Amino acid sequence: QSALTQSASVSGSPGQSITISCTGTSSDVGVYNYVSWYQQHPGKAPKVIIYDVSKWPSGVSSRFSGSKSGNTASLTISGLQAEDEADYYCSSFTRYSTWVFGGGTKLTVL
Amino acid sequence: QVQLVESGGGVVQPGGSLRLSCAASGFTFSSYGMHWVRQAPGKGLEWVAFIRYDGTNKYHADSVKGRFTISRDNSKNTLYLQMNSLRGEDTAVYYCAKVYYQYSMDVWGKGTTVTVSS
Repeated sequence: QSALTQSASVSGSPGQSITISCTGTSSDVGVYNYVSWYQQHPGKAPKVIIYDVSKWPSGVSSRFSGSKSGNTASLTISGLQAEDEADYYCSSFTRYSTWVFGGGTKLTVL
Repeated sequence: QVQLVESGGGVVQPGGSLRLSCAASGFTFSSYGMHWVRQAPGKGLEWVAFIRYDGTNKYHADSVKGRFTISRDNSKNTLYLQMNSLRGEDTAVYYCAKVYYQYSMDVWGKGTTVTVSS
């Protein structure tokens, strides 16, 4: 099972919006609406910020939003804040009853 | 509060074995599926294994299939990962994580470090 494809890095200024994409296949992202997004700060455990493509866990800011089209899922962060600087990972359930993560995207807030 | 605490990591020689544990508290452990996820130094997250709430179904990543086995003891609120035939590429921080709405993970431990080196 190959990792989902994410761009290595993205950057934006405070207040701006950025989008991170996550490309899979018809065996994972394309076939199920079970994409999650995780935020990970250095030295910390990951934190779920989006589940089932576009749903917010309790307590997560609505500045984070998710969507999907075909084999590609996207995470948009609006109103960038300094504390958003972190690594972001997508994950999907697959038709093989396994899970797969993306390679991760490093977000830099300029 | 809801908490997961991993233990059992350490330094092991190639070909060796380790058993990781994940102690759960603050929630009804026996009602939730659980995952192991690992992260090699400076690398991304890699899903390792999943076990259903009652232990009846287990799934492992191809990279560990036949070498690692996930299990659980609901009477002890503990998740396990038995790792055999360890290789250098298994060096990573290993996290346990609780299932959230079936296909996501909402509670993660702080991780335990496994180093495979001679």
